[in-house]
Amino acid sequence: QITLKESGPTLVKPTQTLTLTCTFSGFSLSTSGVGVGWIRQPPGKALEWLALIYWNDDKRYSPSLKSRLTITKDTSKNQVVLTMTNMDPVDTATYYCAHLHIAAALDYWGQGTLVTVSS
Amino acid sequence: QSVLTQPPSVSEAPRQRVTISCSGSSSNIGNNAVNWYQQLPGKAPKLLIYYDDLLPSGVSDRFSGSKSGTSASLAISGLQSEDEADYYCAAWDDRLNVVVFGGGTKLTVL
Repeated sequence: QITLKESGPTLVKPTQTLTLTCTFSGFSLSTSGVGVGWIRQPPGKALEWLALIYWNDDKRYSPSLKSRLTITKDTSKNQVVLTMTNMDPVDTATYYCAHLHIAAALDYWGQGTLVTVSS
Repeated sequence: QSVLTQPPSVSEAPRQRVTISCSGSSSNIGNNAVNWYQQLPGKAPKLLIYYDDLLPSGVSDRFSGSKSGTSASLAISGLQSEDEADYYCAAWDDRLNVVVFGGGTKLTVL
């Protein structure tokens, strides 16, 4: 049974750095082919891909946000961490982490965590 | 503006069939698998179709996917009120080197 859960602050101030943690179970990020991605969704808007990390530490970032994002993994803790610098009110969104299946399909998702950016 | 193009909304009566289109380019749909997600109100997205036309375990066979060239479609037959949701297509993009999503389609069951 694969589960993922996001954790982190619910409120951040503009210009601050956001750090989100995805804690998962039911799979290992040291297993060949496995990946974990981060996706966000502003209120009432569409899904937006943010970043992805593979079992071999290969990382991919959204081109539009690449300069602000860092994704890392801690295999021993079954965690993936996403940091986003210089937060802005437009970054207010529900942030999801998800398990990457074949063909870049995301087959298991966390419940999501709403992050509000406001002074 | 999303890389993949979907109609903002579709509607159909119960027990009927509806299709949702997803248009892309050679760098995404034209060269990679298409995946579809269902997002019920207030919930996380759920994988509905992967690798163009495969159903994950537990997904009703009322849902089906297809692809031709740089476009893909999701079909839902025997519409039920519980199918009211937002539907998103997605695919890997070789040029951007990331997953790209469509803008989502809101399905209303009349």
